[in-house]
Amino acid sequence: EVQILETGGGLVKPGGSLRLSCATSGFNFNDYFMNWVRQAPGKGLEWVVQIRNKNYNYATYFAESLEGRVTISRDDSKSSVYLQVSSLRAEDTAIYYCTREDYYYSSFDYWGQGVMVTVSS
Amino acid sequence: DIQMTQSPASLSASLEEIVTITCQASQDIGNWLAWYQQKPGKSPQLLIYDATSLADGVPSRFSGSRSGTQYSLKISRLQVADIGSYYCQQAHSNPYTFGAGTKLELK
Repeated sequence: EVQILETGGGLVKPGGSLRLSCATSGFNFNDYFMNWVRQAPGKGLEWVVQIRNKNYNYATYFAESLEGRVTISRDDSKSSVYLQVSSLRAEDTAIYYCTREDYYYSSFDYWGQGVMVTVSS
Repeated sequence: DIQMTQSPASLSASLEEIVTITCQASQDIGNWLAWYQQKPGKSPQLLIYDATSLADGVPSRFSGSRSGTQYSLKISRLQVADIGSYYCQQAHSNPYTFGAGTKLELK
């Protein structure tokens, strides 16, 4: 059974930074691209970042709104992916979901339960 | 970036009614289109991938179609379990983009 579990959310002051972790199990993590998608309270879904697998040299792609403030990495030995967001703003307040990207169709076929990040003084 | 224009933003329908939600892509994305359902307080779940293929475990009353750059999600006979929000997503190229969502309620 595929499982995805995000941790690391919480309350952060504006200008601060946060590191989110995403632990996975139940599939061959090395084969898959992983993504983060976020959802501000009462709003729609916003794609944040993708990290590809070793075959693609762990290439990363970012949403323009976050580029320069976001770092994504993965540890294939731990089947985990990590998201660091710096210079946090109130508009970064959202639930952050870790998702697995389907190998062939690039849809997000599995999602974690999400982790809440609140940026407030 | 590819823009996905989703309509309607909200929809009120009766049980057993046919419901259709559409997404218009700003450029050709082929069949690189997915649909997601999100129930209140839950994570989104994949419904449709490759524009018309049903994800595992999704009831057959859901279907996806494509006409050029317009994509549709159809629920053939609305059930209580279908209440929630629906999003399209283009999977053609980075940055991936979602439609703004459709909130489906019972009339």
